[in-house]
Amino acid sequence: AQKITQTQPGMFVQEKEAVTLDCTYDTSDPSYGLFWYKQPSSGEMIFLIYQGSYDQQNATEGRYSLNFQKARKSANLVISASQLGDSAMYFCAMSPTGANSKLTFGKGITLSVRP
Amino acid sequence: KAGVTQTPRYLIKTRGQQVTLSCSPISGHRSVSWYQQTPGQGLQFLFEYFSETQRNKGNFPGRFSGRQFSNSRSEMNVSTLELGDSALYLCASSLGPEAETQYFGPGTRLLVL
Repeated sequence: AQKITQTQPGMFVQEKEAVTLDCTYDTSDPSYGLFWYKQPSSGEMIFLIYQGSYDQQNATEGRYSLNFQKARKSANLVISASQLGDSAMYFCAMSPTGANSKLTFGKGITLSVRP
Repeated sequence: KAGVTQTPRYLIKTRGQQVTLSCSPISGHRSVSWYQQTPGQGLQFLFEYFSETQRNKGNFPGRFSGRQFSNSRSEMNVSTLELGDSALYLCASSLGPEAETQYFGPGTRLLVL
C-alpha cells in the first residue's frame, strides 16, 4: 500500500518569493513515481512535475523543482518566484512504477500568494 | 489539441438513482483513469482502463463500474446512488499506463439529494 502525507496548514508566500511545500510518503514498492499536481478553484488538476524513484537528479520544470530525499521518504515541491496565479491547492501523489495511471494522493496544501 | 472533456459538468440526482458519466480522452491517449474527490476522503482512485480493459481498480463497492470503448472514450456508472456519492469525479488520460503525465479533465460535480 502507498501513503502520502501532507501536513502543512494553509501556506502563505509573498509574490516573487520562493516557497516549499512538504510531502512525505510511504510505500513497499521497490520502484515508484512521485508527482505534484495543482488544483485551482476551477477544479481541474494540472500536472506540475514528476520524479522517478531511481532518478539520480532532482526533477525541475520551469519554476518548479522537486527536492527528492529518498532516505527520508520526502518529495518536497519548491516553487521559485511565486506568482499570484500560483494560488491554488497542491497535491503530492505517487504510483507504483508501470502503473502511473493509478495515483495515490495526499490531502493537499492550500497556497496563497500575497501581492 | 483538445483536452480531456467530461460530460456532464454538473449533475443532480436523488438517492437510489443511477448515473453515467462520460470522459473523452485527448486524441491518441489510450489510458483513462477515474478519481473521486470529496472534502472528507480527498482524491481516491476508482479505476483505470487501457485498450478497453480494466487494469486497476480502487477500493470502491461494486456499485461503481466503468468501461472503455474502442475509441478510448470511457464511461463510469454508479448505481443505487447514496448521499456519500456526492463528489467531484475526475477523469484523466495518458498515452499509456507508464506515461509520466496524466492530463485531467474539468470533472463532473455530482450532487445526490
